[in-house]
Amino acid sequence: EAQVTQNPRYLITVTGKKLTVTCSQNMNHEYMSWYRQDPGLGLRQIYYSMNVEVTDKGDVPEGYKVSRKEKRNFPLILESPSPNQTSLYFCASSFRPGRGADTQYFGPGTRLTVL
Amino acid sequence: SQQGEEDPQALSIQEGENATMNCSYKTSINNLQWYRQNSGRGLVHLILIRSNEREKHSGRLRVTLDTSKKSSSLLITASRAADTASYFCAKGAGSYQLTFGKGTKLSVIP
Repeated sequence: EAQVTQNPRYLITVTGKKLTVTCSQNMNHEYMSWYRQDPGLGLRQIYYSMNVEVTDKGDVPEGYKVSRKEKRNFPLILESPSPNQTSLYFCASSFRPGRGADTQYFGPGTRLTVL
Repeated sequence: SQQGEEDPQALSIQEGENATMNCSYKTSINNLQWYRQNSGRGLVHLILIRSNEREKHSGRLRVTLDTSKKSSSLLITASRAADTASYFCAKGAGSYQLTFGKGTKLSVIP
């Protein structure tokens, strides 16, 4: 089944404790992206990657890191989480970038709480 | 920056009625996409309309695009309780990014 998976789905952590949220897609998509969703703010893009070893900042990259060592995986790293990073996070992928963004396929979301 | 702002923010209708949601944007686009999100879950792509298209249909969905007014609308005909969800428009432009609006929360009352 074609899908985007994220782990963990739920995470409660404390300020400053490094964490990684994994994202994997099995559709051989070139483009992957991370979003956060907050009430009243909609979805905001954190980072995106157009292919292996190619990443770029989205609208709200501060406090996050990503890597794209393999085509299928795009982990989101919070080196020192803070309470303002409490949010619902989504990973998404699409077949190809260019020509104004292709249809994106979303993972089920990771609900992160930072105490 | 956020583009693709939806209107209204919330909409409540009776089952069987039509639901119309609007989306406005500020700069030029290559395509505009509509997504649906059931509460707290991942977004699901509904329909994509390219900048050279004016109208597109998919089942009970009808999307229009007016590039002169920089606006799009999503019409759901004969709504069902299962259509209850949040609907987002997203602007696709040359930067490879897809920029989402804040969404319209649709409630369909049985």
